[in-house]
Amino acid sequence: RKEVEQDPGPFNVPEGATVAFNCTYSNSASQSFFWYRQDCRKEPKLLMSVYSSGNEDGRFTAQLNRASQYISLLIRDSKLSDSATYLCVVTPDSWGKLQFGAGTQVVVTP
Amino acid sequence: ETGVTQTPRHLVMGMTNKKSLKCEQHLGHNAMYWYKQSAKKPLELMFVYSLEERVENNSVPSRFSPECPNSSHLFLHLHTLQPEDSALYLCASSQERANNEQFFGPGTRLTVL
Repeated sequence: RKEVEQDPGPFNVPEGATVAFNCTYSNSASQSFFWYRQDCRKEPKLLMSVYSSGNEDGRFTAQLNRASQYISLLIRDSKLSDSATYLCVVTPDSWGKLQFGAGTQVVVTP
Repeated sequence: ETGVTQTPRHLVMGMTNKKSLKCEQHLGHNAMYWYKQSAKKPLELMFVYSLEERVENNSVPSRFSPECPNSSHLFLHLHTLQPEDSALYLCASSQERANNEQFFGPGTRLTVL
């Protein structure tokens, strides 16, 4: 079983619509959770951390479900510029070693 | 700009060549990382340096040899690579290691013929 699993997509989303997707992780002792964004042929960049109580950053909402071992990302009012691959990232300990999912591709269409 | 630069951006090499990848961070961080990203696969952590000391080596073949001369520079020396080593090699840095955001460089796209 992969340590961090994501639906590769692509999720084709009309501009203005809402899209949501999950990521599951295998290590129940995982400490921290993040969503990174990677544009085509570019480096990953931190989008947002995911907190236990869930958190929002503008049009982006992240949730954590420890019992079922998944995190989610919801994008409201999608923009063309949201087209990217979204990487789920988990730290298995307090050490800072990041475990990456393979990414979920989102394509926002006009 | 993320403050992490990598050179070269593209590299094509034969299996018998020796080359080096360079990473430099201008963020004052004290931890640096090498990752490998192959198509449709998760980023794979290769090496971690903290305060210029290697703290992790994820069973990476010896044909990859890292070097960290100071907290701002990180090298990846390559020799006798295989075609399956073709990938995007990403360098990252962070302040400390524990749960801090990692800043990535633009990567070196490596092709091994």
